[in-house]
Amino acid sequence: EAGVAQSPRYKIIEKRQSVAFWCNPISGHATLYWYQQILGQGPKLLIQFQNNGVVDDSQLPKDRFSAERLKGVDSTLKIQPAKLEDSAVYLCASSGQNRDSYEQYFGPGTRLTVT
Amino acid sequence: GQNIDQPTEMTATEGAIVQINCTYQTSGFNGLFWYQQHAGEAPTFLSYNVLDGLEEKGRFSSFLSRSKGYSYLLLKELQMKDSASYLCAVDTGANNLFFGTGTRLTVIP
Repeated sequence: EAGVAQSPRYKIIEKRQSVAFWCNPISGHATLYWYQQILGQGPKLLIQFQNNGVVDDSQLPKDRFSAERLKGVDSTLKIQPAKLEDSAVYLCASSGQNRDSYEQYFGPGTRLTVT
Repeated sequence: GQNIDQPTEMTATEGAIVQINCTYQTSGFNGLFWYQQHAGEAPTFLSYNVLDGLEEKGRFSSFLSRSKGYSYLLLKELQMKDSASYLCAVDTGANNLFFGTGTRLTVIP
């Protein structure tokens, strides 16, 4: 089966600019996650969707970050305006909705550099 | 607060056995995961423990003690391709994963 797709793979922007990332989860996966991974650290959950509803966005900096999953399939994550400390890899992951579907499948990530 | 501790770096010899420890203090616990992450790549799932004890899967085994807040990942017959970061993560509820900072393992000939 096809994996989690993300685009772009790399993005370089200046601070105060805006940027958007796109994610297409594995077909049939109801749950979608966005993580931020700063160099040398583990991934940090930003937001979790179940179908098109938000399950957890407690760690999303809502003054500058937003995310949507309008039709319960693909999702976009936006940053506006970007700060230097937003430089990181943004990982999208998905998981199924069965009771034993605990495994999260990660996409290749988008490496963002803010200058 | 929530915390996961694991060694920052480890080095081991090809063919040997290595144990990567993880201790955790989290607000909730629905299971513990180990993920492997090669440099510049996405994390890939290795193991999942929800009950105490040892789970074995080929060259990789993972152990959990919930009362001690402790887990380890055991890698046997190390290969050069096992050089990667190993991430310990706790499901704090509803599949919400809290990750440690990872252990960078270097396998030397």
